[in-house]
Amino acid sequence: NAGVTQTPKFRILKIGQSMTLQCTQDMNHNYMYWYRQDPGMGLKLIYYSVGAGITDKGEVPNGYNVSRSTTEDFPLRLELAAPSQTSVYFCASSFPHLGAGGYTFGSGTRLTVV
Amino acid sequence: TQLLEQSPQFLSIQEGENLTVYCNSSSVFSSLQWYRQEPGEGPVLLVTVVTGGEVKKLKRLTFQFGDARKDSSLHITAAQPGDTGLYLCAGARTGTASKLTFGTGTRLQVTL
Repeated sequence: NAGVTQTPKFRILKIGQSMTLQCTQDMNHNYMYWYRQDPGMGLKLIYYSVGAGITDKGEVPNGYNVSRSTTEDFPLRLELAAPSQTSVYFCASSFPHLGAGGYTFGSGTRLTVV
Repeated sequence: TQLLEQSPQFLSIQEGENLTVYCNSSSVFSSLQWYRQEPGEGPVLLVTVVTGGEVKKLKRLTFQFGDARKDSSLHITAAQPGDTGLYLCAGARTGTASKLTFGTGTRLQVTL
């Protein structure tokens, strides 16, 4: 099984540009999440989804948008990139009950905004 | 506001030493998980604890959930270079579906 696949692995954006970070999972997980990881700050939740067609904001949603049209895919859209969005972005998925195995993470996208 | 504080932030020890990492909060969690993250990769789940006072062992790693479900610890016996990485605790609060709040992380380096 591939698990959670994120693309691209690295990207450099100029201020004001837009991009979509792709995330797909093949484990039939209902729940999916986007986190960002800044040095020394742990992981902060951007958006999450409990199923196709349902999304909700996390702790730091400003500057981002998401959609969930299928169970497998959960893309993250950055509009008008800003230097503050320089970070490593992780997509994760899980079953509703964390006792069934916790989160499965992708390998991340390292984004630099210059 | 960081709900989960980990200590220490950094730990550099020699092979064979023992260590304990702490994860503390003023909030109650319905479950708590520990993850290990290696450079360039996403975190990987080590354990889930759900009952206050619960102790789980994974080879040389011992995890404990506090009686009040506000804190947890990770103890490693006879550390090896392969234990090197970033250790993250993460808690799920009651009524928040499966959303996890992550701790600040403890970066462990084990040298020969």
